[in-house]
Amino acid sequence: DTEVTQTPKHLVMGMTNKKSLKCEQHMGHRAMYWYKQKAKKPPELMFVYSYEKLSINESVPSRFSPECPNSSLLNLHLHALQPEDSALYLCASSQSDSSNQPQHFGDGTRLSIL
Amino acid sequence: KQEVTQIPAALSVPEGENLVLNCSFTDSAIYNLQWFRQDPGKGLTSLLLIQSSQREQTSGRLNASLDKSSGRSTLYIAASQPGDSATYLCAPFIYNQGGKLIFGQGTELSVKP
Repeated sequence: DTEVTQTPKHLVMGMTNKKSLKCEQHMGHRAMYWYKQKAKKPPELMFVYSYEKLSINESVPSRFSPECPNSSLLNLHLHALQPEDSALYLCASSQSDSSNQPQHFGDGTRLSIL
Repeated sequence: KQEVTQIPAALSVPEGENLVLNCSFTDSAIYNLQWFRQDPGKGLTSLLLIQSSQREQTSGRLNASLDKSSGRSTLYIAASQPGDSATYLCAPFIYNQGGKLIFGQGTELSVKP
């Protein structure tokens, strides 16, 4: 079990669907992250939220829309995705985005685009 | 731009061996470096975090070293076990308008009984 909880664990959607990925942590961390991981590749950073404000967007296409409604929750809204967006989406958190404390990861959402 | 390289890409050893995983990075301006383990289809588990001012960090059978000036880190696993089989990722933490980890490609470790 991890302290970062991601739902759903698996998601299959069509290219015209709208869905959301959710991430929750109750460790009091003020930085939260979205990563995308393709098979046999390392995670690639997508977004960083620091104190509920977006601090880094790694030039991610607008069909991915992050949201941080409060310090414990992080969402990733998906719309009009492409087959190449199929991947494992990982959420992580840390005390702050400039701290020397480790990042803690969830188990991810396995996303398949039909 | 920070680039991270891990050698070897894959490693297969018999149970009980001591082994070393290598990580090199091009930019020494890092805050810290984290070693992670990833089991197939799972998220990342943090193993060790070594601060930029530290030379090494230990947890159980694991020991990580850091030589920031030469851009190198190693993860030493003592008395390997089949349960250690996983992909091991190193990730220096940098700060540039926000903090982020830069991951290497990983070392896929298989420990045979």
